[in-house]
Order: sequence, then structure tokens, then C-alpha cells
Amino acid sequence: GAGVSQSPSNKVTEKGKDVELRCDPISGHTALYWYRQSLGQGLEFLIYFQGNSAPDKSGLPSDRFSAERTGGSVSTLTIQRTQQEDSAVYLCASSTGTGGYYEQYFGPGTRLTVT
Amino acid sequence: AQRVTQPEKLLSVFKGAPVELKCNYSYSGSPELFWYVQYSRQRLQLLLRHISRESIKGFTADLNKGETSFHLKKPFAQEEDSAMYYCALRGNTDKLIFGTGTRLQVFP
Repeated sequence: GAGVSQSPSNKVTEKGKDVELRCDPISGHTALYWYRQSLGQGLEFLIYFQGNSAPDKSGLPSDRFSAERTGGSVSTLTIQRTQQEDSAVYLCASSTGTGGYYEQYFGPGTRLTVT
Repeated sequence: AQRVTQPEKLLSVFKGAPVELKCNYSYSGSPELFWYVQYSRQRLQLLLRHISRESIKGFTADLNKGETSFHLKKPFAQEEDSAMYYCALRGNTDKLIFGTGTRLQVFP
């Protein structure tokens, strides 16, 4: 079946503009995660959804970052007033449940470049 | 603090040589650890998890709580093993805490 999909695959934006990144999880997956992969850094956790609620937003780097999930499915990560340090690959993952037994399936990522 | 350390950015070996990718963690509770792999132009995928005690593609990893390590090993590397490998720790709210990754290059 279809895996996790993300759009756009690439986004180039000017500093100061807002961007929206979209994630379509695997159908039926209740848990959804956003991660960021910056040059020279590992993968950093951003936010986690269980259904439509976000029990853990601890990884969001600033209040310019926000995310929502509607209908227990699609999620949107919004970055306001983008800065050059926001340039990274943004990865989304989903899983059928929570806990270490449940595998997180990753999307292909959105490469964001802020000029 | 919850942290995963992968000390090697790059590991290069010849085909048929043994491989060990190092991973150390810091976690106050009972850890759940994973290895993820990303092949060229493919998405990140789970390779193995310590709770399953499995061997995938010839790779194994043993959790050593005394040394707080979860090193990934394979006795005979293959060219198709060339990829980026990430060690990860499941945090207290299901998020994954990743190391910075090790690039494995297997030469023919």
C-alpha cells in the first residue's frame, strides 16, 4: 500500500516568508511525528500527534513553528517568518500506535531552503 | 538527559570485512533502542530494534546496559550495506531521539 507522503518535495523560500509543509500518513495510523534533519545535525524531534492532539511539542525550536492535524489524518507544519537556519529536510513519520513495539514509517521528506 | 552518541561520522571497510557501528546512549529509565538505515535516494527505514532481538540482513545489535551501548555489527560486510545508519532511543513520549548518524562505505 501507499506509504507516508509529503509535499512539496522541495521548497525554496525567501527569508521572512511563511511556509507550509504537508504530511499524509499511512491510512489508519494514529500517531504522527515530525522530525528535522539539518546539515551536520542528526534527526531532531519536533512534535508528535496522537490523533488530533499533540502530547509532545517539546522539539519545536521557536514560536515561529506550529503544527496541526485534522481528522486524525493529514498534518501541516507551518513555519512563520522563515530564517536561514530553518533550512533543513523535514521528515514526517507515522505509526499504528505508540510504544517501542510500533514501527515509525518515514516519508521522503521536504527539503526546505531559505535564501 | 536523553542522548544518543554515534562517534564515527564515516566508516569505510572492504567487502567481506567485519563491521561495527558504535552507539552509546544516555537515558535514566529502561531504554528502547533502534537502528534505522537510509540507503541512497531512499527514505529512512527501520533496520532492527533491541526488543525483538532479531537479525536483519545479517546485522545484529546487543543492548549492553552496563556500557550503555547498542553497537550494530555484521561479520561480513556487503557492498549493498553502504548507507547512512542512525541509532535511536525511544524517549518518554514515544519520540525518537537520534544520533548524528554514521555513513558506512563498503568498497569492493
